[in-house]
Amino acid sequence: DAGITQSPRHKVTETGTPVTLRCHQTENHRYMYWYRQDPGHGLRLIHYSYGVKDTDKGEVSDGYSVSRSKTEDFLLTLESATSSQTSVYFCAISATSQDTQYFGPGTRLTVL
Amino acid sequence: AQTVTQSQPEMSVQEAETVTLSCTYDTSESDYYLFWYKQPPSRQMILVIRQEAYKQQNATENRFSVNFQKAAKSFSLKISDSQLGDAAMYFCAYRRNSGGSNYKLTFGKGTLLTVNP
Repeated sequence: DAGITQSPRHKVTETGTPVTLRCHQTENHRYMYWYRQDPGHGLRLIHYSYGVKDTDKGEVSDGYSVSRSKTEDFLLTLESATSSQTSVYFCAISATSQDTQYFGPGTRLTVL
Repeated sequence: AQTVTQSQPEMSVQEAETVTLSCTYDTSESDYYLFWYKQPPSRQMILVIRQEAYKQQNATENRFSVNFQKAAKSFSLKISDSQLGDAAMYFCAYRRNSGGSNYKLTFGKGTLLTVNP
């Protein structure tokens, strides 16, 4: 299994509070991704990174920001959480843009 | 834009029997990859099998095989000798293999597979 961890694994927070989710990898892969999973939607890409300090938006990026200061860490921040951001968040990694993406264990976020 | 459709929200199979999960996709590209991922109750997303569009031979991984029909844009997953541990949500996914946005995975909405003892 690819060495990918996500923290926290579960979080409950209140509307309007900032939240940061962390993805950590030990594979030294260049590409990292954040997805959200909602019932009836499958997984949808939020943001991705193609190197340290290099990031770009996915299809559902509104309300989210990301940062990558080290190869191994990719942070997803909700500046002011809303109830619509209640979801399961997955991090994924790949060595190149064309390689298979491998997923972390997920973080369940509940915004009350 | 590419779309992936899984028309079976739920399927069930008896232990030791064979089941086929359907997936169709829409793309104007000729070079792409298709994937099946499995998500058990643990929520972990696990790669089951992948198929490169340029390869005519259908991919096989132990009890899992695909029927890839490029002209029909169909990519079904066959699970033989079903086991209780196969019970999970199965997602079909597409990714183009060249040009811009070739990192992006497009997922179907999933098929929930139940395995009955």
